[in-house]
Amino acid sequence: SSELTQDPTVSVALGQTVRITCQGDTLRSYYASWYQQKPGQAPVLVIYGKNNRPSGIPDRFSASNSGNTASLTITGTQAEDEADYYCNSRDSSPYHPVVFGGGTRLTVL
Amino acid sequence: QLQLQESGPRLVKPSETLSLTCTVSGGSITNSNYYWGWIRQPPGKGLEWIGTIYYTGNTYYNPSLKSRVIISEDMSKNQFSLKLSSVTATDTAVYYCAREIRDGQNLYFFDFWGQGALVTVSS
Repeated sequence: SSELTQDPTVSVALGQTVRITCQGDTLRSYYASWYQQKPGQAPVLVIYGKNNRPSGIPDRFSASNSGNTASLTITGTQAEDEADYYCNSRDSSPYHPVVFGGGTRLTVL
Repeated sequence: QLQLQESGPRLVKPSETLSLTCTVSGGSITNSNYYWGWIRQPPGKGLEWIGTIYYTGNTYYNPSLKSRVIISEDMSKNQFSLKLSSVTATDTAVYYCAREIRDGQNLYFFDFWGQGALVTVSS
């Protein structure tokens, strides 16, 4: 199966813009989705597909894709955005259709 | 609003079988638009997909766990379940159930999650 690779840690100054990336060959064919997870809580879907936000997710969250890389961008990062972020996608293998990235811990300075 | 709730023993002995049930409210597991999945997260680590079931009974499993996993459904109770056999300490994790959407061929994602159940494998 394919793997999805994320930087383990990323930091951003309050109010600035940050990009969190997810790399993998499967992303050349399939869209990624993104989840936010705060300590002790279940993951929350923040972006799915090309660049779609579920109801209730602020518009400072956006996504883009290029080649084998999917990116989650937070514009005007807020303190409450400090969390772990995971990407996921489908895989080309019919035997392992779902894959997750290893996660990125975002620190807001 | 859709809600999912995991239930089952939180302590399992090594070599025994972990069993969890996910009860879905606010929606039906027989809705053909959705799949239903299990994901786990060992303490301090990332998310790992375990498997998924469709209302037809079709199942899809992570190859690394396939020999030990069974996911089933009970339409009458609007529940789906996970059984993981021959557990060891490395199976200690928070287990989440979630609704999965497979949008055409290009997009699979989980839009609603349960709160999670920490299952510890220990004698």
